[in-house]
Amino acid sequence: DAGVIQSPRHEVTEMGQEVTLRCKPISGHNSLFWYRQTMMRGLELLIYFNNNVPIDDSGMPEDRFSAKMPNASFSTLKIQPSEPRDSAVYFCASTPAGRTSGANVLTFGAGSRLTVL
Amino acid sequence: AQSVTQPDIHITVSEGASLELRCNYSYGATPYLFWYVQSPGQGLQLLLKYFSGDTLVQGIKGFEAEFKRSQSSFNLRKPSVHWSDAAEYFCAVGEGAAGNKLTFGGGTRVLVKP
Repeated sequence: DAGVIQSPRHEVTEMGQEVTLRCKPISGHNSLFWYRQTMMRGLELLIYFNNNVPIDDSGMPEDRFSAKMPNASFSTLKIQPSEPRDSAVYFCASTPAGRTSGANVLTFGAGSRLTVL
Repeated sequence: AQSVTQPDIHITVSEGASLELRCNYSYGATPYLFWYVQSPGQGLQLLLKYFSGDTLVQGIKGFEAEFKRSQSSFNLRKPSVHWSDAAEYFCAVGEGAAGNKLTFGGGTRVLVKP
């Protein structure tokens, strides 16, 4: 298995531009998580999905952030408009379904490093 | 709400020496506890986890952790550190039915001296 795949690995953009980060979870995994990592705030859970349905988006910073999971193999995190304070590494992670073995072991992607100038 | 505290931001250890990383958590119920490691430019990799049973948990790469309910701690240890253990280590507590909604501590960066 190729693991959790994120793209782009690096993104540099200017303030005000739209940014879209993409994630392909491990095949068969039913839960998907978006985390943000910064020096100041550490690792923060932004949103997570079960079976493509958003379960908890309480960590999404503000309306500029949105996340979708149109099918079991793809999710996006969009920032519009972007601001310099959004600069961070964004991680996607996935787990198997809730009642299966290993359901609470997150497999992380390599992350998308976003720099907003 | 649950929280995780890792009191040590940086630890420097000599290669071959023992290592202990501290983790304290705050959670109302029996916690799911995890240690993850992050190498530079990489995602997080699971080292070990605790749900129930034996309070001493063995993980990958020679790491172990001990759950102490009375101290709300889940400290990570390794008897003899290798240069490749230089990385950042994160303790996490999981909530939800599957325990997969993780709250992470601030991390401890480990530097290994030759």
